[in-house]
Amino acid sequence: GAVVSQHPSRVICKSGTSVKIECRSLDFQATTMFWYRQFPKQSLMLMATSNEGSKATYEQGVEKDKFLINHASLTLSTLTVTSAHPEDSSFYICSASNPTLSTDTQYFGPGTRLTVL
Amino acid sequence: AQSVTQPDIHITVSEGASLELRCNYSYGATPYLFWYVQSPGQGLQLLLKYFSGDTLVQGIKGFEAEFKRSQSSFNLRKPSVHWSDAAEYFCAVGAVNTDKLIFGTGTRLQVFP
Repeated sequence: GAVVSQHPSRVICKSGTSVKIECRSLDFQATTMFWYRQFPKQSLMLMATSNEGSKATYEQGVEKDKFLINHASLTLSTLTVTSAHPEDSSFYICSASNPTLSTDTQYFGPGTRLTVL
Repeated sequence: AQSVTQPDIHITVSEGASLELRCNYSYGATPYLFWYVQSPGQGLQLLLKYFSGDTLVQGIKGFEAEFKRSQSSFNLRKPSVHWSDAAEYFCAVGAVNTDKLIFGTGTRLQVFP
């Protein structure tokens, strides 16, 4: 139980284009979803927190107009990297939680490797 | 400010040997503590968590961790390591009544046969 999927697993795009990454909770309803960014051999940095039907809350230093987050349903959140540049290349990981499932526990997706040429 | 420190970037052990991965945290209130494991190119899997109660926590795959408030530590242990345990291990701290997690920089475990 508590499976989270991400699509695509890998994406390569040209500089200036936009890329959408999907995060789905497959067998539970995710009241909250989180988006992280992980640089090579580094830890996960929280980018934003989103609750279903509400605007996402972004961490300090994260550009909300560049990293658009939508959490339209209890099983789906999307991260759109707009006008991507090579410095946006990274491993993006989402997680989902539901307090009725398990208190204060996040379930992580497998991640999406974004490469911007 | 909240922070998590994993002093060991890389640890190598022989299969069958015991393992201890260190984690120290800085947090003003009672923390929630987690250990996650990440296999190459994959997401994170929860190994165990501590919220309250017994300070020795049992997790999956034979792992355990002990919360020591006096040392602000939450070290992960396994008595006998298997080759399949080779992965990246992350310690994380969460604040009570918030959803956020703060991760350490991770420890890469390599297991020799």
